[in-house]
Amino acid sequence: DTGVSQDPRHKITKRGQNVTFRCDPISEHNRLYWYRQTLGQGPEFLTYFQNEAQLEKSRLLSDRFSAERPKGSFSTLEIQRTEQGDSAMYLCASSPDGGNYGYTFGSGTRLTVV
Amino acid sequence: AQKITQTQPGMFVQEKEAVTLDCTYDTSDQSYGLFWYKQPSSGEMIFLIYQGSYDEQNATEGRYSLNFQKARKSANLVISASQLGDSAMYFCAMRADNYAGGTSYGKLTFGQGTILTVHP
Repeated sequence: DTGVSQDPRHKITKRGQNVTFRCDPISEHNRLYWYRQTLGQGPEFLTYFQNEAQLEKSRLLSDRFSAERPKGSFSTLEIQRTEQGDSAMYLCASSPDGGNYGYTFGSGTRLTVV
Repeated sequence: AQKITQTQPGMFVQEKEAVTLDCTYDTSDQSYGLFWYKQPSSGEMIFLIYQGSYDEQNATEGRYSLNFQKARKSANLVISASQLGDSAMYFCAMRADNYAGGTSYGKLTFGQGTILTVHP
């Protein structure tokens, strides 16, 4: 297992377009998290999946954002009608249950909305 | 609610010297975990060290140690014998373990980070 993979690494899109990012967690990890990181800031929690169930969503996740983890494996994060304020790094992390040490982050998807 | 404060936007250290990165936290939870991550320019968050709120000993991982002072709610990272490759952004993060009510789910709350630059 090569860790948490995110695709694409970079995405440039025009305002108003829809974008979708993919995260492939470590295969035996039940927990999957999405975070958003803007320039010069720490990551902020967006949403959490336990297997295929989305159990928590941040208020940062507006109606334009949707995330899925259909078979409890990979996850997708879609942003509809992108705005310039959506420009950020989107990080995915996974961990086993009771993850004291086990948060593994991907390299992120950097989104630029022009 | 949890809050992490990192008051040092940037730190400079000479190669081979030790450096301390400050982190204070605020939580009403009794059980929690504290983490330090390194983020190089490539963007990936690299786990460095973990300290549980009930751990009596300070955590150590190679050149990294965590100076945990629970009463002061501080969890400073000490990097000994700095290397040029240590130059990066460093984040302190906290996970609350308030499973009573069952809504913790292990999410991390991050500070704003400290940029560390190691000079040769």
